Amino acid sequence: GQQVKQSSPSLTVQEGGILILNCDYENDMFDYFAWYKKYPDNSPTLLISVRSNVDKREDGRFTVFLNKSGKHFSLHITASQPEDTAVYLCAAGQGTGSKLSFGKGAKLTVSP
Amino acid sequence: NAGVIQTPRHKVTGKGQEATLWCEPISGHSAVFWYRQTIVQGLEFLTYFRNQAPIDDSGMPKERFSAQMPNQSHSTLKIQSTQPQDSAVYLCASSTGIYAEQFFGPGTRLTVL
Repeated sequence: GQQVKQSSPSLTVQEGGILILNCDYENDMFDYFAWYKKYPDNSPTLLISVRSNVDKREDGRFTVFLNKSGKHFSLHITASQPEDTAVYLCAAGQGTGSKLSFGKGAKLTVSP
Repeated sequence: NAGVIQTPRHKVTGKGQEATLWCEPISGHSAVFWYRQTIVQGLEFLTYFRNQAPIDDSGMPKERFSAQMPNQSHSTLKIQSTQPQDSAVYLCASSTGIYAEQFFGPGTRLTVL
């Protein structure tokens, strides 16, 4: 079954707005959590990641929050820009195993 | 740095034919991963190698699919007797190791007629 689940497969936000993308996981052995960004006809690229020893990691306009007890992590994007329009994939893995389990993706559109 | 290289970018095969997909990881990366992407299933893990050794092939279909890494500069994914349901984008990724970012190649779009 799907080990990582993304809600809201499609979202639209106005430029300058705040957006939250959510992801739930099943395997409580996961200790690495990441968000990848994918433009059409391009490969996914890492946006931000966090290990399970912290609850939050911020990188500019992007912040990932991790709720281990709830098996949930989220991506917050502030001051949305048109170039943020893309598909966002959440992923989780076990460090020792390294393979990643991906969500099905959420398509974000930032409207001017 | 050329990034992860995958060839061919597109491959069309007839049902029952064999398809071999190639991946050249980023120089110095010790881990190589294969994933498959479809609209229905999304991005699914297939198999991975570390320092050329097979570590985890739990995502590989038990029949017809095989992967090798004969040297540190390339890996192959072979699909025998291809079926229409094998049609997908096959992505290769490499990384420097545990917890490290995985860098994806452009993918090979396989179409089985």
